[in-house]
Amino acid sequence: NAGVMQNPRHLVRRRGQEARLRCSPMKGHSHVYWYRQLPEEGLKFMVYLQKENIIDESGMPKERFSAEFPKEGPSILRIQQVVRGDSAAYFCASSPGGSNTGELFFGEGSRLTVL
Amino acid sequence: AQSVAQPEDQVNVAEGNPLTVKCTYSVSGNPYLFWYVQYPNRGLQFLLKYITGDNLVKGSYGFEAEFNKSQTSFHLKKPSALVSDSALYFCAVRPPGATNKLIFGTGTLLAVQP
Repeated sequence: NAGVMQNPRHLVRRRGQEARLRCSPMKGHSHVYWYRQLPEEGLKFMVYLQKENIIDESGMPKERFSAEFPKEGPSILRIQQVVRGDSAAYFCASSPGGSNTGELFFGEGSRLTVL
Repeated sequence: AQSVAQPEDQVNVAEGNPLTVKCTYSVSGNPYLFWYVQYPNRGLQFLLKYITGDNLVKGSYGFEAEFNKSQTSFHLKKPSALVSDSALYFCAVRPPGATNKLIFGTGTLLAVQP
């Protein structure tokens, strides 16, 4: 049973380019969460999605960042016009749908470096 | 505001000695509490959680944590540390009634010396 799959594991972009990070949840999971880990900081919640719905985007920057979880395919975190401050590890997590005790299952992360 | 505090950036302990990694939270009501571990360049791995019931929770790799409601703490413990326990440890809380998202502390680096 495959875990949460993220790709790419490492991504290098120049300032002004776009970054797309993909996340496939664990089999049977319909909830996806994105977190960002900056150097010397903990994990910061960004967005929580279910299939075709954004449930909570309270942690998303107002500009340049967007996320989706289509009916088919992986969840995608998109960062437009990247800046150096976007360099971080981006982690995706998933959980089963419906009522559950809150445990999240994390992927290995995508590490974005902006030159 | 809801938050989780891990007051120690780093904890050093000798192999074979007991270890404690501290966590306190500021959340109204009865939250769910979690510990995760992160090895270098890896994702987070679930260690244990407290939902309700016995205040002492046992988890993976011999770790346990004690929930103390009056002190709003959930310290991680292990009776005898291993060098392989060296990693970054995160405490997290899910506030009651909230969406499934977790609020994480800033992490504590555990260094176990041989």
